[in-house]
Amino acid sequence: ETGVTQTPRHLVMGMTNKKSLKCEQHLGHNAMYWYKQSAKKPLELMFVYNFKEQTENNSVPSRFSPECPNSSHLFLHLHTLQPEDSALYLCASSQVGTVYEQYFGPGTRLTVT
Amino acid sequence: ELKVEQNPLFLSMQEGKNYTIYCNYSTTSDRLYWYRQDPGKSLESLFVLLSNGAVKQEGRLMASLDTKARLSTLHITAAVHDLSATYFCAVDTEGGSQGNLIFGKGTKLSVKP
Repeated sequence: ETGVTQTPRHLVMGMTNKKSLKCEQHLGHNAMYWYKQSAKKPLELMFVYNFKEQTENNSVPSRFSPECPNSSHLFLHLHTLQPEDSALYLCASSQVGTVYEQYFGPGTRLTVT
Repeated sequence: ELKVEQNPLFLSMQEGKNYTIYCNYSTTSDRLYWYRQDPGKSLESLFVLLSNGAVKQEGRLMASLDTKARLSTLHITAAVHDLSATYFCAVDTEGGSQGNLIFGKGTKLSVKP
Protein backbone atom coordinates (compact mmCIF):
# COMPACT_ATOMS: atom_id res chain seq x y z
CA GLU A 1 0.00 0.00 0.00
CA THR A 2 1.18 3.49 -0.72
CA GLY A 3 0.03 6.97 0.20
CA VAL A 4 -3.09 7.34 2.31
CA THR A 5 -5.71 4.60 2.31
CA GLN A 6 -9.24 4.68 3.66
CA THR A 7 -11.78 1.95 4.35
CA PRO A 8 -14.54 1.43 3.64
CA ARG A 9 -14.90 3.43 0.44
CA HIS A 10 -18.68 3.45 0.69
CA LEU A 11 -20.87 3.11 3.76
CA VAL A 12 -24.62 3.19 4.23
CA MET A 13 -25.82 3.28 7.81
CA GLY A 14 -29.01 3.89 9.71
CA MET A 15 -29.31 6.60 12.29
CA THR A 16 -29.11 4.11 15.15
CA ASN A 17 -26.05 2.26 13.88
CA LYS A 18 -22.49 2.49 15.08
CA LYS A 19 -19.72 2.28 12.54
CA SER A 20 -16.08 3.29 12.18
CA LEU A 21 -14.03 4.74 9.36
CA LYS A 22 -10.39 3.79 9.09
CA CYS A 23 -7.46 5.71 7.66
CA GLU A 24 -3.87 4.57 7.29
CA GLN A 25 -0.95 6.56 5.97
CA HIS A 26 2.18 4.93 4.54
CA LEU A 27 4.19 8.15 4.17
CA GLY A 28 5.95 8.32 7.52
CA HIS A 29 4.03 11.45 8.45
CA ASN A 30 3.25 12.51 12.01
CA ALA A 31 0.06 14.53 11.58
CA MET A 32 -3.33 13.26 10.44
CA TYR A 33 -6.62 14.97 9.70
CA TRP A 34 -10.30 14.26 9.15
CA TYR A 35 -12.28 16.43 6.73
CA LYS A 36 -15.92 16.48 5.73
CA GLN A 37 -16.86 17.36 2.16
CA SER A 38 -20.50 17.94 1.35
CA ALA A 39 -22.22 19.52 -1.60
CA LYS A 40 -23.44 22.48 0.41
CA LYS A 41 -20.28 23.56 2.21
CA PRO A 42 -16.59 23.97 1.53
CA LEU A 43 -14.23 21.30 2.70
CA GLU A 44 -14.43 21.37 6.50
CA LEU A 45 -11.62 20.38 8.83
CA MET A 46 -13.00 18.21 11.63
CA PHE A 47 -10.05 16.92 13.63
CA VAL A 48 -6.29 17.33 13.68
CA TYR A 49 -3.80 15.02 15.34
CA ASN A 50 -0.14 16.01 15.68
CA PHE A 51 2.13 13.32 17.08
CA LYS A 52 -1.00 11.33 18.05
CA GLU A 53 -2.33 14.19 20.16
CA GLN A 54 -5.53 15.90 19.16
CA THR A 55 -4.82 19.58 18.59
CA GLU A 56 -7.96 20.79 16.87
CA ASN A 57 -11.62 19.96 17.18
CA ASN A 58 -13.57 22.39 15.11
CA SER A 59 -16.84 22.24 17.03
CA VAL A 60 -17.67 18.82 15.70
CA PRO A 61 -20.75 17.13 17.23
CA SER A 62 -20.00 14.41 19.76
CA ARG A 63 -21.61 11.79 17.52
CA PHE A 64 -18.25 11.87 15.71
CA SER A 65 -15.43 10.47 17.84
CA PRO A 66 -11.85 10.31 16.54
CA GLU A 67 -9.15 7.92 17.65
CA CYS A 68 -5.47 8.00 16.77
CA PRO A 69 -3.67 5.00 18.27
CA ASN A 70 -0.38 5.78 16.49
CA SER A 71 0.97 8.17 13.90
CA SER A 72 -0.01 5.87 11.01
CA HIS A 73 -3.63 5.12 11.88
CA LEU A 74 -6.66 7.28 12.38
CA PHE A 75 -10.25 6.24 13.04
CA LEU A 76 -13.52 8.09 13.04
CA HIS A 77 -16.18 6.41 15.15
CA LEU A 78 -19.74 7.21 14.19
CA HIS A 79 -22.92 6.80 16.22
CA THR A 80 -26.49 8.08 16.06
CA LEU A 81 -25.77 10.10 12.94
CA GLN A 82 -28.24 12.35 11.17
CA PRO A 83 -29.09 12.39 7.46
CA GLU A 84 -27.25 15.73 7.13
CA ASP A 85 -24.05 13.90 8.07
CA SER A 86 -24.11 12.19 4.70
CA ALA A 87 -20.97 13.36 2.92
CA LEU A 88 -17.54 12.37 1.69
CA TYR A 89 -15.15 11.97 4.61
CA LEU A 90 -11.54 12.53 3.70
CA CYS A 91 -8.47 11.65 5.67
CA ALA A 92 -5.15 13.42 5.12
CA SER A 93 -1.67 13.31 6.53
CA SER A 94 1.32 15.62 6.59
CA GLN A 95 4.74 16.02 8.13
CA VAL A 96 4.93 18.54 10.95
CA GLY A 97 7.39 21.21 9.84
CA THR A 98 7.51 24.22 7.58
CA VAL A 99 5.37 23.07 4.67
CA TYR A 100 2.46 21.05 6.05
CA GLU A 101 1.52 19.87 2.59
CA GLN A 102 -1.35 17.47 3.15
CA TYR A 103 -1.81 14.23 1.24
CA PHE A 104 -5.36 13.02 0.99
CA GLY A 105 -6.88 9.56 0.92
CA PRO A 106 -9.61 8.53 -1.53
CA GLY A 107 -12.39 9.20 0.98
CA THR A 108 -15.35 7.31 2.38
CA ARG A 109 -18.72 8.15 0.85
CA LEU A 110 -21.15 7.98 3.79
CA THR A 111 -24.91 7.85 3.42
CA VAL A 112 -27.08 8.04 6.53
CA THR A 113 -30.60 6.72 6.04
CA GLU B 1 -12.12 34.29 11.39
CA LEU B 2 -10.11 33.44 8.29
CA LYS B 3 -12.14 33.37 5.10
CA VAL B 4 -10.99 32.09 1.75
CA GLU B 5 -12.86 33.15 -1.35
CA GLN B 6 -12.37 31.77 -4.81
CA ASN B 7 -13.71 33.13 -8.03
CA PRO B 8 -15.13 32.19 -10.28
CA LEU B 9 -16.86 29.17 -8.73
CA PHE B 10 -17.71 27.80 -12.15
CA LEU B 11 -15.65 28.24 -15.28
CA SER B 12 -16.41 26.91 -18.71
CA MET B 13 -13.70 27.53 -21.24
CA GLN B 14 -12.67 26.38 -24.66
CA GLU B 15 -9.58 24.39 -25.39
CA GLY B 16 -6.64 26.57 -26.24
CA LYS B 17 -7.80 29.56 -24.22
CA ASN B 18 -6.18 31.15 -21.18
CA TYR B 19 -7.83 31.97 -17.91
CA THR B 20 -7.10 32.82 -14.28
CA ILE B 21 -8.68 31.60 -11.06
CA TYR B 22 -8.43 33.93 -8.09
CA CYS B 23 -8.11 33.11 -4.41
CA ASN B 24 -8.52 35.88 -1.85
CA TYR B 25 -8.11 35.38 1.86
CA SER B 26 -8.98 37.62 4.75
CA THR B 27 -6.00 37.56 7.08
CA THR B 28 -2.24 37.33 6.97
CA SER B 29 -0.84 33.99 5.93
CA ASP B 30 2.49 32.79 4.66
CA ARG B 31 1.37 29.51 3.15
CA LEU B 32 -1.05 28.82 0.37
CA TYR B 33 -1.89 25.54 -1.28
CA TRP B 34 -3.61 24.60 -4.51
CA TYR B 35 -5.35 21.25 -4.92
CA ARG B 36 -7.14 19.53 -7.76
CA GLN B 37 -10.10 17.19 -7.38
CA ASP B 38 -11.49 15.05 -10.19
CA PRO B 39 -15.14 13.93 -9.95
CA GLY B 40 -15.51 11.14 -7.42
CA LYS B 41 -11.85 11.30 -6.53
CA SER B 42 -9.76 12.70 -3.73
CA LEU B 43 -7.68 15.86 -3.61
CA GLU B 44 -4.32 15.99 -5.33
CA SER B 45 -1.74 18.55 -4.28
CA LEU B 46 -0.69 20.86 -7.11
CA PHE B 47 1.33 23.68 -5.60
CA VAL B 48 2.64 24.88 -2.26
CA LEU B 49 3.44 28.60 -2.12
CA LEU B 50 5.48 29.63 0.89
CA SER B 51 6.40 33.28 0.50
CA ASN B 52 5.39 36.57 -1.02
CA GLY B 53 6.11 36.62 -4.73
CA ALA B 54 6.35 32.84 -4.99
CA VAL B 55 5.58 31.50 -8.44
CA LYS B 56 5.37 27.84 -9.39
CA GLN B 57 4.60 26.25 -12.73
CA GLU B 58 3.68 22.75 -13.77
CA GLY B 59 2.70 22.16 -17.36
CA ARG B 60 -0.14 24.48 -18.32
CA LEU B 61 -0.75 25.65 -14.74
CA MET B 62 1.05 28.47 -12.98
CA ALA B 63 0.35 29.62 -9.43
CA SER B 64 1.49 32.80 -7.73
CA LEU B 65 1.17 34.37 -4.30
CA ASP B 66 0.96 38.00 -3.22
CA THR B 67 0.80 38.01 0.57
CA LYS B 68 0.45 41.80 0.75
CA ALA B 69 -2.68 41.71 -1.39
CA ARG B 70 -3.74 38.41 0.24
CA LEU B 71 -4.23 37.01 -3.22
CA SER B 72 -3.16 33.91 -5.08
CA THR B 73 -3.83 33.18 -8.71
CA LEU B 74 -3.90 29.97 -10.70
CA HIS B 75 -3.32 30.70 -14.36
CA ILE B 76 -4.27 28.23 -17.04
CA THR B 77 -2.49 28.47 -20.37
CA ALA B 78 -3.90 26.93 -23.56
CA ALA B 79 -6.41 24.79 -21.71
CA VAL B 80 -6.94 21.16 -22.63
CA HIS B 81 -9.82 18.84 -21.72
CA ASP B 82 -7.67 16.94 -19.21
CA LEU B 83 -7.60 20.02 -17.00
CA SER B 84 -11.34 19.72 -16.33
CA ALA B 85 -11.65 19.32 -12.55
CA THR B 86 -12.40 21.30 -9.41
CA TYR B 87 -9.54 23.42 -8.11
CA PHE B 88 -9.27 24.41 -4.47
CA CYS B 89 -7.02 26.88 -2.75
CA ALA B 90 -6.32 26.55 0.96
CA VAL B 91 -4.64 28.83 3.44
CA ASP B 92 -2.72 27.96 6.57
CA THR B 93 -3.24 30.65 9.17
CA GLU B 94 -0.05 32.44 10.17
CA GLY B 95 0.63 31.93 13.81
CA GLY B 96 -2.35 29.64 14.10
CA SER B 97 -2.46 25.91 14.49
CA GLN B 98 -0.02 24.65 11.93
CA GLY B 99 -1.67 22.44 9.40
CA ASN B 100 -5.10 23.90 10.05
CA LEU B 101 -6.06 24.61 6.46
CA ILE B 102 -9.06 26.68 5.50
CA PHE B 103 -10.31 25.80 2.01
CA GLY B 104 -12.11 27.89 -0.53
CA LYS B 105 -15.33 26.59 -2.07
CA GLY B 106 -13.52 25.43 -5.17
CA THR B 107 -13.64 26.42 -8.83
CA LYS B 108 -15.23 23.85 -11.10
CA LEU B 109 -13.45 24.06 -14.43
CA SER B 110 -14.89 22.56 -17.58
CA VAL B 111 -12.78 22.67 -20.73
CA LYS B 112 -14.72 22.08 -23.91
CA PRO B 113 -13.41 21.29 -27.38
